[in-house]
Amino acid sequence: EVQLLESGGNLVQPGGSLTLSCAASGFTLGNYAMSWVRQAPGRGLDWVSVITGSGSGSKTFYADSVKGRFTFSRDNSKNTLILQMNGLRAEDTAMYYCARMEYYAMAVWGQGTTVIVSS
Amino acid sequence: QSALTQPPSASGSPGQSVTISCTGTSSDVGNYNYVSWYQQLPGKAPKLMIYEVSKRPSGVPDRFSGSKSGNTASLTVSGLQTEDEADYYCSSYGGSNWVFGGGTKLTVL
Repeated sequence: EVQLLESGGNLVQPGGSLTLSCAASGFTLGNYAMSWVRQAPGRGLDWVSVITGSGSGSKTFYADSVKGRFTFSRDNSKNTLILQMNGLRAEDTAMYYCARMEYYAMAVWGQGTTVIVSS
Repeated sequence: QSALTQPPSASGSPGQSVTISCTGTSSDVGNYNYVSWYQQLPGKAPKLMIYEVSKRPSGVPDRFSGSKSGNTASLTVSGLQTEDEADYYCSSYGGSNWVFGGGTKLTVL
């Protein structure tokens, strides 16, 4: 069964750092583009970043709101995605979902991990 | 990277049809046939309902259909059922990014 399991969410102070992980099972991570999408409490979905498949050179793209602060990477040996988040702000508070991309859509979603940025 | 525009709410009675619009620009919806729609039930992760404007993933009822004209995409739910009550989000590829709509809360009266 194809599954995604996010972890690493926590309470962090403004300006702090946090590392999110997304463990994939049931498929080979490197064969797919993968995205992070977040959802602030009571708000809509907000695309964060994408990493292309290994066959496309694993390029990364970011939303303007996180560019320069977040880094998206993949550890194919562990079938795991990593989202390194630095310089966190209150507006980064959200549920963070990882998703498998198919046909330019988020086809498979994890259950999410919660990030709270507050002093 | 401006959000796509969706009506905040929509409603219909069981058995009726309802259409939710999603308006973007010539840089996203109008330029790519990569519009997708997601259903989100309370406290749950989103679920893909439509991809590439009008295609349904396996397991999605054919009551759900999608279309696009110019910079506006639409999701139609026919034969409304109580379990269709949820938040619906559209999304579009925009060249090197994705953009979502603000979401529409669908109420089945």
